[in-house]
Amino acid sequence: DTGVSQDPRHKITKRGQNVTFRCDPISEHNRLYWYRQTLGQGPEFLTYFQNEAQLEKSRLLSDRFSAERPKGSFSTLEIQRTEQGDSAMYLCASSFSREAFFGQGTRLTVV
Amino acid sequence: QKEVEQNSGPLSVPEGAIASLNCTYSDRGSQSFFWYRQYSGKSPELIMSIYSNGDKEDGRFTAQLNKASQYVSLLIRDSQPSDSATYLCASPGRLARDDKIIFGKGTRLHILP
Repeated sequence: DTGVSQDPRHKITKRGQNVTFRCDPISEHNRLYWYRQTLGQGPEFLTYFQNEAQLEKSRLLSDRFSAERPKGSFSTLEIQRTEQGDSAMYLCASSFSREAFFGQGTRLTVV
Repeated sequence: QKEVEQNSGPLSVPEGAIASLNCTYSDRGSQSFFWYRQYSGKSPELIMSIYSNGDKEDGRFTAQLNKASQYVSLLIRDSQPSDSATYLCASPGRLARDDKIIFGKGTRLHILP
């Protein structure tokens, strides 16, 4: 499979717990994006990487969110002390120059 | 803060007709524009990209860009029920290689059989 891969596909967690999501981009893609999407809304930008460097993090993102991309390959997104408002689809996308391609997403439900 | 604006719809179009989806953007320096299709519960799928003024055709899809008026549109000819989805407009803004991709909220399209 040469597409963007995300794991897990679904995650149910209790409020207050930490969760971590993984994204494996298309192998030759140097840019990696994380988005969050809720029902009826477009993807909301969270952060993005050029190789291993995190270029920007959304000002809307609280300090509970952190992302890494060690060695410029896969990336992880961690949410600490989850809240019910964190329930959403978390989307990862990768690109080489312009167009970005998405993975299947991770649906998070905080109960 | 750059923005990409879309009418949320729903836009209802009879099967076989032309569906017209529109998008406006705030960053006059934007160079690249993308259209994504998203089925309910699925992730966005890239269907068209356009970089210069004018029209770009790919099968039943035509993307149109007017930089002077800061709008981009997507036309779907011979609409099929399988085209029913949310269509997202996106742009990386001024510097395509060095800026994040921002999405509109999407337009829901419903093709009436």
